[in-house]
Amino acid sequence: DAKTTQPNSMESNEEEPVHLPCNHSTISGTDYIHWYRQLPSQGPEYVIHGLTSNVNNRMASLAIAEDRKSSTLILHRATLRDAAVYYCILPTAGGTSYGKLTFGQGTILTVHP
Amino acid sequence: DAGITQSPRHKVTETGTPVTLRCHQTENHRYMYWYRQDPGHGLRLIHYSYGVKDTDKGEVSDGYSVSRSKTEDFLLTLESATSSQTSVYFCAITGSTANYGYTFGSGTRLTVV
Repeated sequence: DAKTTQPNSMESNEEEPVHLPCNHSTISGTDYIHWYRQLPSQGPEYVIHGLTSNVNNRMASLAIAEDRKSSTLILHRATLRDAAVYYCILPTAGGTSYGKLTFGQGTILTVHP
Repeated sequence: DAGITQSPRHKVTETGTPVTLRCHQTENHRYMYWYRQDPGHGLRLIHYSYGVKDTDKGEVSDGYSVSRSKTEDFLLTLESATSSQTSVYFCAITGSTANYGYTFGSGTRLTVV
């Protein structure tokens, strides 16, 4: 399985943009890049995913490097509700083990008022 | 909105008793997963299913079994509960890693005394 590397923690101020990096240097051509977040005492929540092109949705933007060895989750204006653990994950792509998510430690995002 | 529900939400059981947790989805997704989350370990995959009656083991499957007799239900059974199985259990579903994110249930907090 392709592995990901994220910083352990990051801090931001409310209403400022946040760029959360993820390295995935062993990514294969068919691996999708998924991002999830987990708020305290809740289950993980889907944020965004993509393959090659940058992606935008109502929650965030995903910027994918041209060589796909890294990506950045962008929260355009952080709010206190965005304080969570953010996970960058590459689901397994093939056969009967399709779609397994391997969670690392993620990045703990702290948002200051 | 969920499309996925877990039951029960909380359970306290005694060591040595069997326990069954239920994950129910209304999305008609093919893939379903059971994870456990413990402090210091993050989320770890217990078992998963890639279709009706098609299941396989994850990284921490000892002491657990699963069944999927219909698309919408994925059952996790602790055959003889132990204190080490005290944890929060999450179910997840997806249609495909390309077209969908994963949706997680709200979790079941299980305490084995």
